[in-house]
Amino acid sequence: AQSVTQLGSHVSVSEGALVLLRCNYSSSVPPYLFWYVQYPNQGLQLLLKYTTGATLVKGINGFEAEFKKSETSFHLTKPSAHMSDAAEYFCAVSDGIIQGAQKLVFGQGTRLTINP
Amino acid sequence: DGGITQSPKYLFRKEGQNVTLSCEQNLNHDAMYWYRQDPGQGLRLIYYSQIVNDFQKGDIAEGYSVSREKKESFPLTVTSAQKNPTAFYLCASSLARLGTGVSGANVLTFGAGSRLTVL
Repeated sequence: AQSVTQLGSHVSVSEGALVLLRCNYSSSVPPYLFWYVQYPNQGLQLLLKYTTGATLVKGINGFEAEFKKSETSFHLTKPSAHMSDAAEYFCAVSDGIIQGAQKLVFGQGTRLTINP
Repeated sequence: DGGITQSPKYLFRKEGQNVTLSCEQNLNHDAMYWYRQDPGQGLRLIYYSQIVNDFQKGDIAEGYSVSREKKESFPLTVTSAQKNPTAFYLCASSLARLGTGVSGANVLTFGAGSRLTVL
């Protein structure tokens, strides 16, 4: 079965600094990987996804992630943090497609704090 | 605008009571899901449904029940058998097509969530 590990439950960076949120996965099949963002008391919003093709994936709000098969990683980065990036971020791997329904396995989440 | 509506946003329940959380979508999505979120544990799948009148247990279905009588609706009942029901519940949907692999159509869209507190 697939699994996801997010390294660091809390990450704090200064405004303007690089954001790096780490995600490692295990999968017995070629993985489909996702990053979602959650603002307080809200649902999850898709940031970006990797399915096939280019391993560097660009998403919304200036975020990007690189799929590295050899390292089983899918780390999320942003060159310059903004105060509005403060949120919780979830990495997820697809646990398969069951007649069209996609089961996602989520990491435990990383809470990102931006210091002024 | 299309989206997913969850209600109520906040719900308080006494021990021993069943409660039902509503989830309605107007995205014309086939598949719907219920996840439970607890601090530090990420999201865990409770139930999912890929078609009307059919649903499957997820990883933590015990103490929960669902129905899928309409394509747009997927209510979740938290029963008194659920030992630790206090949590944030998220409903999601995706446009599912039989026989296809992952594509943009399989991205999950989430509702804003319902926070249940057992007193």
